[in-house]
Amino acid sequence: AQSVTQPDIHITVSEGASLELRCNYSYGATPYLFWYVQSPGQGLQLLLKYFSGDTLVQGIKGFEAEFKRSQSSFNLRKPSVHWSDAAEYFCAVGPLGYQKVTFGTGTKLQVIP
Amino acid sequence: DAGVIQSPRHEVTEMGQEVTLRCKPISGHDYLFWYRQTMMRGLELLIYFNNNVPIDDSGMPEDRFSAKMPNASFSTLKIQPSEPRDSAVYFCASSEDSPQYFGPGTRLLVL
Repeated sequence: AQSVTQPDIHITVSEGASLELRCNYSYGATPYLFWYVQSPGQGLQLLLKYFSGDTLVQGIKGFEAEFKRSQSSFNLRKPSVHWSDAAEYFCAVGPLGYQKVTFGTGTKLQVIP
Repeated sequence: DAGVIQSPRHEVTEMGQEVTLRCKPISGHDYLFWYRQTMMRGLELLIYFNNNVPIDDSGMPEDRFSAKMPNASFSTLKIQPSEPRDSAVYFCASSEDSPQYFGPGTRLLVL
């Protein structure tokens, strides 16, 4: 069965600092991997996705993620965090060609001045 | 495109009442998903449809919950009778292949 682990429930970073949110997945074949962001009171917005090819994926809002098959990880990064990045971030995994994705429990990001 | 549209955005009702949540998926998307989000359980998939047909309803918590998709542009999630433990944010999402695109959610409070 597929699963996703986001080990950090809450992270606090200073504005302008770099950010890395961790995501580990469990899936036996080639996965689809996603990162979503949820601002307070809003729905989930897709940041980026990985299907195949280049393991470094660029997304919206200056985010990127790197797929590492050997580590079963898909960590999200941003070189310089802005106050508007404060939100909850969800990693998700789904098998190729199948719609039922599994979401992680989320990481809440707090940005301090 | 307007994105996934959900209504109402907020719903407050009393225990025992029927609640109907509505969703209009993105045009051309043939998959539709209903999720529930709570602090305790996170984001849970309740049911999803493909071409208006329910594919997997294993996440529907009880018989009090039902979902329909009468056509490609409309779906409903109904709770009858509602209970306080149904209080949550309910999201609808749609997709053509991957990924899923989420609506803004309906915040339900059952008193």
